[in-house]
Amino acid sequence: RKEVEQDPGPFNVPEGATVAFNCTYSNSASQSFFWYRQDCRKEPKLLMSVYSSGNEDGRFTAQLNRASQYISLLIRDSKLSDSATYLCVVNILPYGGSQGNLIFGKGTKLSVKP
Amino acid sequence: NAGVTQTPKFRVLKTGQSMTLLCAQDMNHEYMYWYRQDPGMGLRLIHYSVGEGTTAKGEVPDGYNVSRLKKQNFLLGLESAAPSQTSVYFCASSYTRTSGKYEQYFGPGTRLTVT
Repeated sequence: RKEVEQDPGPFNVPEGATVAFNCTYSNSASQSFFWYRQDCRKEPKLLMSVYSSGNEDGRFTAQLNRASQYISLLIRDSKLSDSATYLCVVNILPYGGSQGNLIFGKGTKLSVKP
Repeated sequence: NAGVTQTPKFRVLKTGQSMTLLCAQDMNHEYMYWYRQDPGMGLRLIHYSVGEGTTAKGEVPDGYNVSRLKKQNFLLGLESAAPSQTSVYFCASSYTRTSGKYEQYFGPGTRLTVT
């Protein structure tokens, strides 16, 4: 089983749609969870950190289910500017001997159309 | 506050040439990382450092060396470049003792082509 697994997409949605991304992780000892977005030919940028069961930031909601080892990201009222690749990121202990090390999923591509 | 910066932004090397990529951060982060990103492969960790003077291997360290002589800088070296090292290289940093959090912040990347 891959350590962090995401649906690669692409997800093609109209403006204003609600879209959900799912992610599963393999190591039950993981403690830190993040969603990053990456625009084409740019660096990954932190979108949200998920330190408890979930959190919300405007149109974005992240949820964590530790029992199922599952993380989700919900985007409501999607905008053209939301078009990007969304990376699910988890720290895997004792990966690499440092709890700061993160494992990145390969990402889910989102394309929002007018 | 520039965050994480990388130099150079682009480079073309011939097989067998050497080069050093420089990463600098001004966030007082303890940890620094070098990744490579290839199409369909996602981000893969090359080397990392949990403090000044310490480095460790990541998932794909072969063909690379690193040094962290100063807390704010992390250098990635290619001693003898190979076409398989054509990639986009990202540096990242994270963690301060005061925050206790592990979010990584990335530099803009270096696009390296080895011919």
